[in-house]
Amino acid sequence: NAGVMQNPRHLVRRRGQEARLRCSPMKGHSHVYWYRQLPEEGLKFMVYLQKENIIDESGMPKERFSAEFPKEGPSILRIQQVVRGDSAAYFCASSPREFYEQYFGPGTRLTVT
Amino acid sequence: KQEVTQIPAALSVPEGENLVLNCSFTDSAIYNLQWFRQDPGKGLTSLLLIQSSQREQTSGRLNASLDKSSGRSTLYIAASQPGDSATYLCAVAGGTSYGKLTFGQGTILTVHP
Repeated sequence: NAGVMQNPRHLVRRRGQEARLRCSPMKGHSHVYWYRQLPEEGLKFMVYLQKENIIDESGMPKERFSAEFPKEGPSILRIQQVVRGDSAAYFCASSPREFYEQYFGPGTRLTVT
Repeated sequence: KQEVTQIPAALSVPEGENLVLNCSFTDSAIYNLQWFRQDPGKGLTSLLLIQSSQREQTSGRLNASLDKSSGRSTLYIAASQPGDSATYLCAVAGGTSYGKLTFGQGTILTVHP
């Protein structure tokens, strides 16, 4: 049973470009959480999705960020018009049900130049 | 708003020592608590999950305890080894949080031979 997959592992974008981060949950998991780890800061919750539904996006910046988890395919975190402050490690985690143990992917390290 | 604090921020010990990492949280209405380790530049590995109704969990040389009423958890590592060197993170899922995790800042552990 493969773990949580994230790609790309490293992503470099210039200011103003778009970044798309993908997360494939573990087999049998339909709950996905995204977290961000800014340099020298702790991990912060961004968004919680179930298949085709955003359940809690209270940690998402109001502008430029969006997330989806379609019926088929991976969950996508999309950042439009990236700025240097978006440089961070973005982790996704999956679980089989709400409040169950969360399993984390290796992360995508975004660098904005 | 839930806040999680971990003490100490860093710890350096000789190989073979038993050690304790501390985690405290401000809102005792939690559903569960997870301990993770994070190696530099890597993702998070789940170590132990304690449900709010439990007092402790054990896995190998690791033992985690939970005192929900006082808002505290400890992670006990027996007979530490250099391979235990990593950042240890404590995270809680609040009772009404849909399972999203609030993380502490972590304890950086170095075990030297």
